[in-house]
Parts: sequence; C-alpha cells; structure tokens
Amino acid sequence: GQQVMQIPQYQHVQEGEDFTTYCNSSTTLSNIQWYKQRPGGHPVFLIQLVKSGEVKKQKRLTFQFGEAKKNSSLHITATQTTDVGTYFCAGPGSNDYKLSFGAGTTVTVRA
Amino acid sequence: EAGVAQSPRYKIIEKRQSVAFWCNPISGHATLYWYQQILGQGPKLLIQFQNNGVVDDSQLPKDRFSAERLKGVDSTLKIQPAKLEDSAVYLCASSLGGQGARSYEQYFGPGTRLTVT
Repeated sequence: GQQVMQIPQYQHVQEGEDFTTYCNSSTTLSNIQWYKQRPGGHPVFLIQLVKSGEVKKQKRLTFQFGEAKKNSSLHITATQTTDVGTYFCAGPGSNDYKLSFGAGTTVTVRA
Repeated sequence: EAGVAQSPRYKIIEKRQSVAFWCNPISGHATLYWYQQILGQGPKLLIQFQNNGVVDDSQLPKDRFSAERLKGVDSTLKIQPAKLEDSAVYLCASSLGGQGARSYEQYFGPGTRLTVT
C-alpha cells in the first residue's frame, strides 16, 4: 500500500534559524496535507497542496509540492518557540478522503 | 463553530476489559474517521464513515474493535476485550466530504488517552 515517509524524525533548531522537513511518498499523490500537533495536543490542519510544483506560504512557513507529486517540503524561517511540535504530512490512500500519515518531524527549539 | 467533541478524555482499564469512546463531529461534516495514535507515531486510520456507511475499515482489528455511526452524526468506537498494545490515543476527526476545495481537510478532536494495564 501507499507509504508516506518523513525526514528528519527529529529537528533541534536554534531560535531564529531556518529549517526544512521533507515528505516522500511511494506513489503519486492527488494532493498532500500538512498538520501540526503541539505536545499533548491533537493534529491541526495547516494546508493542502494539489497542483504539481505548487508553493504556498503561511507567514514564516513555506510549503512546496514536488513536480512529480511524490514529495513535499515544509520550510520554516526564523524559527520561534511557538513552532515547537510535530509536523505531519499526509497523503490520500485508496480513496481521496482516506489519509496516510507520515511518522512526523518533531521540532524542538533552543532559546 | 464548535469543534469535534470526544469523551472521555482519559481512560484506564485492565486488559480483557471493554471500553467505549464517543465522538460528535462538526455539524454538517459527512465524513468521520477514527484514528489510533501510538506515542511517537503518526495517526493510523482505523475506520472511516461517510454518513452512516463504512467506507474503509481495512485496518480495524475486527476481532476486538467495533464502531458505529447509526444516524450519520455521532459515533462510538468499542474495544472488547482490550489488550496491552491497545494503549494509545484514539482520535476522532471529521471532514466535509463532497467535492469542494476544502472537502478533504480533517478536523481532529482532543482524543481519548487509553491506558491498558
């Protein structure tokens, strides 16, 4: 079945630095979604990318969908302590409403 | 708008006991999901409903897990009998369904943290 893999598993970042987390799928995706889960919280929808090569920005977060629609990235600039949490990418599986989640990238920030 | 509601928030049971979780999705959301999230992992889909019909339950351990959404709104997930490896957070999520641009966005409830001893 379809698998979604994320790297790195952990990202330790100095406050103010930039970092990127990557998501790769074993199959072509019709769309990809990103979620953020704060420690002790539940996943919260961030964004959905649909088009090949699509780039979307939310303040300091930049999301990109690969040209082949098999990979995606999340780039955060000027990391803040509010960015702490686990970022999941998720792609549709056997039907468009079913999501397969990656294992997530857990971000910690050093002040 | 009100979010996805779940209860209870925490549950501790002994192995071989039974437990039930309740979910009330966002009003008007046709699609409802139950996920299992083990510590350090991403959510794993257990079952997906479209209104009151099951769309996908391929990863539901049917010998011990059951779920229903009788009137197409609230849903319950039951485990009977529980095993130690069932210790996890059980998340309920809902989405609009349909064909609109935001149909696939999933909104999660706070989850039920289950500990089986």
